[in-house]
Amino acid sequence: DTAVSQTPKYLVTQMGNDKSIKCEQNLGHDTMYWYKQDSKKFLKIMFSYNNKELIINETVPNRFSPKSPDKAHLNLHINSLELGDSAVYFCASSQAGLLSSGANVLTFGAGSRLTVL
Amino acid sequence: RKEVEQDPGPFNVPEGATVAFNCTYSNSASQSFFWYRQDCRKEPKLLMSVYSSGNEDGRFTAQLNRASQYISLLIRDSKLSDSATYLCVENTGAAGNKLTFGGGTRVLVKP
Repeated sequence: DTAVSQTPKYLVTQMGNDKSIKCEQNLGHDTMYWYKQDSKKFLKIMFSYNNKELIINETVPNRFSPKSPDKAHLNLHINSLELGDSAVYFCASSQAGLLSSGANVLTFGAGSRLTVL
Repeated sequence: RKEVEQDPGPFNVPEGATVAFNCTYSNSASQSFFWYRQDCRKEPKLLMSVYSSGNEDGRFTAQLNRASQYISLLIRDSKLSDSATYLCVENTGAAGNKLTFGGGTRVLVKP
């Protein structure tokens, strides 16, 4: 019963191709995110959605297009892949509410390792 | 200057010893902080939340110093299984729960 599941776990592709990563959470959370972790291990937010509505869009090239068909799913489509897109992409979710009640704590998926050749 | 800065380490720690490391942040308005643990090639997992001056959970103690804008994490009686990268995370309270991650501090506990 994985809380946040993302597929595929590994993705190797050629430059210029288009690929998608899917994410689903069964925690009933309202907010979902995509984070990118590059080779230097810094985790940077790309997008967040709250109840299917885009809230955060962090200066990400428009080759990256997130889609949230419902609050339990957040997919990431990447067009015209470049070498610099190679990274681990983490999906995460959280619940809004009081900080003291554990809100805003991120639960991450296992990551999707993208390698662009 | 990075928003959240951490010593990347590694901190080499004998089993059973105590280790502590800090994380500095630049936004004085930040409301809360977290420590996450990330094992090699795995996803980050929450270790501890820090809302006021600090928090303690078993062998782990986090202290928040708002005047000097840093958070510390102390691990007592280190276990081999504590070997991981510890990520400091800042919540500025911005819309969308935008969290800023530090680069992580690597801890290696050795027998």
